[in-house]
Amino acid sequence: DGGITQSPKYLFRKEGQNVTLSCEQNLNHDAMYWYRQDPGQGLRLIYYSQIVNDFQKGDIAEGYSVSREKKESFPLTVTSAQKNPTAFYLCASSTGLQGTQHFGDGTRLSIL
Amino acid sequence: AQSVTQPDIHITVSEGASLELRCNYSYGATPYLFWYVQSPGQGLQLLLKYFSGDTLVQGIKGFEAEFKRSQSSFNLRKPSVHWSDAAEYFCAVGSPNTNAGKSTFGDGTTLTVKP
Repeated sequence: DGGITQSPKYLFRKEGQNVTLSCEQNLNHDAMYWYRQDPGQGLRLIYYSQIVNDFQKGDIAEGYSVSREKKESFPLTVTSAQKNPTAFYLCASSTGLQGTQHFGDGTRLSIL
Repeated sequence: AQSVTQPDIHITVSEGASLELRCNYSYGATPYLFWYVQSPGQGLQLLLKYFSGDTLVQGIKGFEAEFKRSQSSFNLRKPSVHWSDAAEYFCAVGSPNTNAGKSTFGDGTTLTVKP
């Protein structure tokens, strides 16, 4: 079955460390997204990408970076510049920016 | 720019009771509309969507939603709630205009089901 795979499910970051969250999809979708979810705050868009080798900042891009070298993959790096990284991170994909989004099961990032 | 408002942050209903979750949107024409559900620690799952046609849309798990253009609303309903429906629900709006950019999500409504 097609879907989106996020890994790892749980991740711990030390102070000053960069960490990378993986997102892979086999749905042949062009668009991919990264969201951050904090308790009581809904989804906040970090970055999104419409096509390979192109991506745009969302509402809260500071302290994060992404790449889109392959259609299937959209990894998110949480850099040391992100001072409050503890959150639940969700990756999604869709055929176009207006279509139904398909979500992964998320990665929960915590600080050691 | 498009926007979505879910006026109710938290709703509690008794098992077997009916449910209505509100969603209001702002968009200049007929939008694409979605409802998603999220169980704790999981990703979001699509419940139903409206693109065009019949304004009453049926979805999975016995949910339905009605698009009301005059009220700019897309409220989600279920006649009889089950304990397993306890979750967070998100409304989203997108544009049929392919140059309009990404869809926008509401802040969500948390549903608690009392036994």
